[in-house]
Amino acid sequence: RKEVEQDPGPFNVPEGATVAFNCTYSNSASQSFFWYRQDCRKEPKLLMSVYSSGNEDGRFTAQLNRASQYISLLIRDSKLSDSATYLCVVNTLDSNYQLIWGAGTKLIIKP
Amino acid sequence: IAGITQAPTSQILAAGRRMTLRCTQDMRHNAMYWYRQDLGLGLRLIHYSNTAGTTGKGEVPDGYSVSRANTDDFPLTLASAVPSQTSVYFCASSPVGQETQYFGPGTRLLVL
Repeated sequence: RKEVEQDPGPFNVPEGATVAFNCTYSNSASQSFFWYRQDCRKEPKLLMSVYSSGNEDGRFTAQLNRASQYISLLIRDSKLSDSATYLCVVNTLDSNYQLIWGAGTKLIIKP
Repeated sequence: IAGITQAPTSQILAAGRRMTLRCTQDMRHNAMYWYRQDLGLGLRLIHYSNTAGTTGKGEVPDGYSVSRANTDDFPLTLASAVPSQTSVYFCASSPVGQETQYFGPGTRLLVL
């Protein structure tokens, strides 16, 4: 089983819709969680950190469920510019602060 | 401010050849990382350096070596390239006390 698993998609979503995807992680000792965004043929960039209480940044909401070991990303009122691959990232303190990366979920927003 | 630069942007390399991928950052970040990204897989850590003068092995270090002579530079060397090293290579850095990593634009390497 992969340490961090994501549905690869693609998720094809009409502009203006709400879309959500999850990411599961296997190590219950995981401490920090992040969503990164990667545009086609570009480098990953931090989208947002995921806090235990859940957090929101504009149209984006991230949530953490420690009991079920998953994190989620919700995008409201999706824009064409939201089309990208979203990478789930987990930091497990017992691995020398190294980040464990999911393979990503591809999102395509259609006009 | 450039952030992190990588060179070359892309390269076609014959198997058995030696190749060094360059990475330079101007943010004075302590930690630096080399990843490879392959289709269907998450970023996999090759080597890392928590500070100048120290390096460590990541998840997939075989066939690669690194050095960290100073804060800014973190070159990755393939001693004798093999086709399975065909990938996109990303260099990243992070400041002390932070988990956020900042990435360079990547190097696309094709080994034939």
